[in-house]
Amino acid sequence: DAKTTQPTSMDCAEGRAANLPCNHSTISGNEYVYWYRQIHSQGPQYIIHGLKNNETNEMASLIITEDRKSSTLILPHATLRDTAVYYCIADYGQNFVFGPGTRLSVLP
Amino acid sequence: EAGVTQSPTHLIKTRGQQATLRCSPISGHTSVYWYQQALGLGLQFLLWYDEGEERNRGNFPPRFSGRQFPNYSSELNVNALELEDSALYLCASSSGFPPGQETQYFGPGTRLLVL
Repeated sequence: DAKTTQPTSMDCAEGRAANLPCNHSTISGNEYVYWYRQIHSQGPQYIIHGLKNNETNEMASLIITEDRKSSTLILPHATLRDTAVYYCIADYGQNFVFGPGTRLSVLP
Repeated sequence: EAGVTQSPTHLIKTRGQQATLRCSPISGHTSVYWYQQALGLGLQFLLWYDEGEERNRGNFPPRFSGRQFPNYSSELNVNALELEDSALYLCASSSGFPPGQETQYFGPGTRLLVL
């Protein structure tokens, strides 16, 4: 079973920030938080990952709480092309268990 | 840099036949993972290969098997196909380094239809 829980779906207005939450209350100390997204049955696309500290790359920011029991993926300026299913995974490298993810709809 | 490639993109088989799916990892990656995504369902982990060895296996019957070649490409074989094997089969690769951060990069998938 997946170690993470996410809302089933979310809407976001185009141009606004999309904040996608993820709970991983049973995460172990050496397990990373990964985020992927899947657009319309394509292969999942890697977005970002982190352990303790907040991370930022060209796609998104990842905010991890100090107790590491939850995290938030932030897409700073959502576009229509960001409409996808977003998966949060808490794991130690190889053994990825995907949950159902959050279906993000970016609305014009 | 080329990403993970999979072939064929689509495959149609009949019940009882065998299917062979192929995956080429990103250059320099030694680990290959296979996942099954049935229609409307999430990704289910199938197999993990690293350095030519099977390292882990998901909760699938033995008729799902595979191998990894010396060039790190991989093959997934599904024997005695059943209708419920119809799904998108995804391959991912990782460099296996640094430990615990083996980010997996996915290919576009092979869509298998069993009639």
